[in-house]
Order: sequence, then C-alpha cells, then structure tokens
Amino acid sequence: EVQLAESGGGLVQPGGSLRLSCSVSGFTLREYTMHWVRQAPGKGLEYVASTNSDGRTTNYADSVRGRFTISRDNDKDTVYLEMSSVRIEDTAVYYCVKAWDTRKVPTGYWGQGTVVTVSS
Amino acid sequence: DIQMTQSPSSLSASVGDRVTITCRASQGISNYLAWYQQMPGKVPKLLIYSASTLQSGVPSRFSGSGSGTDFTLTISSLQPEDVATYYCQKYNSAPHTFGPGTKVDIK
Repeated sequence: EVQLAESGGGLVQPGGSLRLSCSVSGFTLREYTMHWVRQAPGKGLEYVASTNSDGRTTNYADSVRGRFTISRDNDKDTVYLEMSSVRIEDTAVYYCVKAWDTRKVPTGYWGQGTVVTVSS
Repeated sequence: DIQMTQSPSSLSASVGDRVTITCRASQGISNYLAWYQQMPGKVPKLLIYSASTLQSGVPSRFSGSGSGTDFTLTISSLQPEDVATYYCQKYNSAPHTFGPGTKVDIK
C-alpha cells in the first residue's frame, strides 16, 4: 500500500526556518518525481516545488524560489522541503505528492498534509 | 510561466443536472492536464489525467476533454456526493500550476 507521511510542520516566526519531511512506503521512491503542494486556509491549491527521480532536477514556484529547497534521500525513502525566510503568506497545509514515473502519468497519491503556521 | 484559469468560479445545480467546468491555459500544454476533486476538509483526489483519461475507481459520470489550451470537465448527472471544489492542473512542464478552482454545490 502506497503511503506518504508528512511531518515537521508547526508554528514558526516570520523570517524563521522549518524543514518538512515526507516519509514514503509501498513503492520505490527513486523511480518517481515528487512534488510539494500547499493550500493556505480557505484558498486553492498551489504548486510549491518538485524534484525528479534522482534529485538532480528541481523546480519551484516563483513565490518560494530562493527561499525553499526541495531535496530527497532515495535510500531513506524521504523527501524534504527546507523552508527559510518564511513569510506570513507561507501559512498553509503542505502536501507531499507522488507525482509520476518516466511515463509522466500522475499517480494520484497525496499525503494527509502537515500544517505550517507563520506568526509572531 | 503558463497561467491557468477556470470558469465559472462557482456554480449551483440540481441533482441530475449536467455540469461543465472549463479550464484554459495561457499557452498550449498538449494534453498534459489533470482534474482534481477536493471535498471540504479532505485531500484532493485525482479524477482525470491526460485531459480525458478517467482515473481508476472514478465514476463514469465524470469525463474530460480538450487539448492545447482549452479543456472541460463534465459531470453528466450531478450527485449530492459531487459537492466539492474542482481544480485543473497543468503538468507538461514546471511550474505545474493549478487553476483557481470551481466550487460546485447543490441547488
């Protein structure tokens, strides 16, 4: 059974840092592109970042580029999102998504999300 | 970057009605378009990918069409359990932008 479990969310002050983790099981992580997607309270879905299967290619939304870093450890079955210089508007539920393999067919697997609150 | 728009932003329809939601990309994305359903308080659920391929387990009243810049999601006969917000997402290349969403409820 495919499982994605996010952790690391919490309360952080503006300008601070936080590292989110996504621990996966039930599939071979090194075969899949992975995404982080967020949803601010009462708002829509926002693509945040993605990493290809070997981690050599990463992409970011303009809103987080230069502040957030996505990475992965395929041996530890974990994907990370390092958040720095956080802003009030980064407050959201952050979802880890098993995106696709080389066929580029979305898998539809999402984690349950972890809540990040940026507040002083 | 390619922008995604959706219309309408919300709609109210009766049970059994045919419902159509439109998604438009600011540039062509071939058929790299997915549709998600998000019920209140729940994780998004993949309904359709490759613009028109139904994800396994999704009821056949859902269908998708389109290619290039214009796409539609159709619910052939709206059911009470379809009350949700629907999002399109492009995935031809990063950033994999979502549309702003369409909220569907029952009249």
